[in-house]
Amino acid sequence: SQQGEEDPQALSIQEGENATMNCSYKTSINNLQWYRQNSGRGLVHLILIRSNEREKHSGRLRVTLDTSKKSSSLLITASRAADTASYFCATDNRDDKIIFGKGTRLHILP
Amino acid sequence: DTAVSQTPKYLVTQMGNDKSIKCEQNLGHDTMYWYKQDSKKFLKIMFSYNNKELIINETVPNRFSPKSPDKAHLNLHINSLELGDSAVYFCASSQAGTGLNSPLHFGNGTRLTVT
Repeated sequence: SQQGEEDPQALSIQEGENATMNCSYKTSINNLQWYRQNSGRGLVHLILIRSNEREKHSGRLRVTLDTSKKSSSLLITASRAADTASYFCATDNRDDKIIFGKGTRLHILP
Repeated sequence: DTAVSQTPKYLVTQMGNDKSIKCEQNLGHDTMYWYKQDSKKFLKIMFSYNNKELIINETVPNRFSPKSPDKAHLNLHINSLELGDSAVYFCASSQAGTGLNSPLHFGNGTRLTVT
């Protein structure tokens, strides 16, 4: 069954605005990670957040995790054209099985 | 230096052929994976190897056979290719075994087109 589901599927915002993407999952997890994928390239790791953590920051990125709601959000502040990409969440369950969501396509408008 | 490299980048072949995709990582990681990304960008794990030993073998047709000659290499051989095998195949590696205790490092993918 699908574990991670990103929302929205696609998002277009003006350069300089903040972008928020959400990820929901169904079963208990050990860790959650966010990845970025530029067109024609492999996925690049952004942030790892463990199940006992609630918030992590990395530069312009902020990730939150709410295990009671089984959801996570990725906030990109002050977006830039280079942020245009697809963003995926990935979770692992107690059996270490990794499942990726279907991704959010983010488009930054000039 | 490319951390996870896979070849070829593009592969166009006819139905019924047999093809291989190679993957090498120079990160010293013990765990390597093959993922398949379909046309809708959905990424699904196919296989996972830890120290040359098969750990995860998802429901994948037995026409797909991974081979790990050493822990830095994980190749994927596909027999009797079918149209539905067309996808982008990604190799990845991680430091800390299966699960998401550490980041996955992905190659840039092999776009397989079966005609």
